[in-house]
Amino acid sequence: AQSVAQPEDQVNVAEGNPLTVKCTYSVSGNPYLFWYVQYPNRGLQFLLKYITGDNLVKGSYGFEAEFNKSQTSFHLKKPSALVSDSALYFCAVSSPSGGSYIPTFGRGTSLIVHP
Amino acid sequence: GAGVSQSPSNKVTEKGKDVELRCDPISGHTALYWYRQSLGQGLEFLIYFQGNSAPDKSGLPSDRFSAERTGGSVSTLTIQRTQQEDSAVYLCASSSTGGRGGYTFGSGTRLTVV
Repeated sequence: AQSVAQPEDQVNVAEGNPLTVKCTYSVSGNPYLFWYVQYPNRGLQFLLKYITGDNLVKGSYGFEAEFNKSQTSFHLKKPSALVSDSALYFCAVSSPSGGSYIPTFGRGTSLIVHP
Repeated sequence: GAGVSQSPSNKVTEKGKDVELRCDPISGHTALYWYRQSLGQGLEFLIYFQGNSAPDKSGLPSDRFSAERTGGSVSTLTIQRTQQEDSAVYLCASSSTGGRGGYTFGSGTRLTVV
C-alpha cells in the first residue's frame, strides 16, 4: 500500500524568509508526486508535480520541490515567503507502475507566514 | 467545462435523510475520484471511476454510501440515512488516464448533518 507522511501539522515562517514543507512517501513502484494548496472554503489547487526527469521541479507561485529517491522525499520549498502563501498544503503520491492510479494524500500542513 | 463543477456547494440535511452530491468533471477526463475531507483531517479516498471499467469502491466507509457515473461523465455520490459523522466536505477530482497531468479538483460540497 502507498502512503504519504507530512510530519508537520503547522509551519510558521516570517515573510521574506525561505520556507520548506516536508513530505515523505512510500510506494511499491515509481512514484508520481504532487503538491496541492487549499485556501479556506476552496478546493485543492495544483502547484506542481514530479513524474519523471529532473529531480527539481518548479511550479506555480514560485514554489519548487525536489524529488529525492534515496530519501523517498518530495519537500516543497520557496525562496521567499509571502503572507498570501498562508494556506493548507497537501502532498500526494500515486504509482501507476505499482498498480494504483488513485492518489494518496497526506494529512496536510498548515503554512502560516507572518508579516 | 473548463473545470470540475460540484453541486450543491453547501447542503444541510437532517439525520436519517438521503442526500445526493453531483460532480461534473472536465470534458475528456476519463478518471473521476471522490474524496472526503473532515475537519482537521486529510483527504479520505472514497471511490474511483476509470472509463467503462468497474469502479474501485474500496474507500466507501459503509453500505450507506454509493456512487455512479453516467455516460462516463457526470457522477453522483449518494449517502443514505445520513448520520452526523457524515458531516464533511466532499471533494471530486478528475484526471486523464494515469494521472500524469495531475488531478483537477472541484470546490467541494460541504455537507452538514443536523
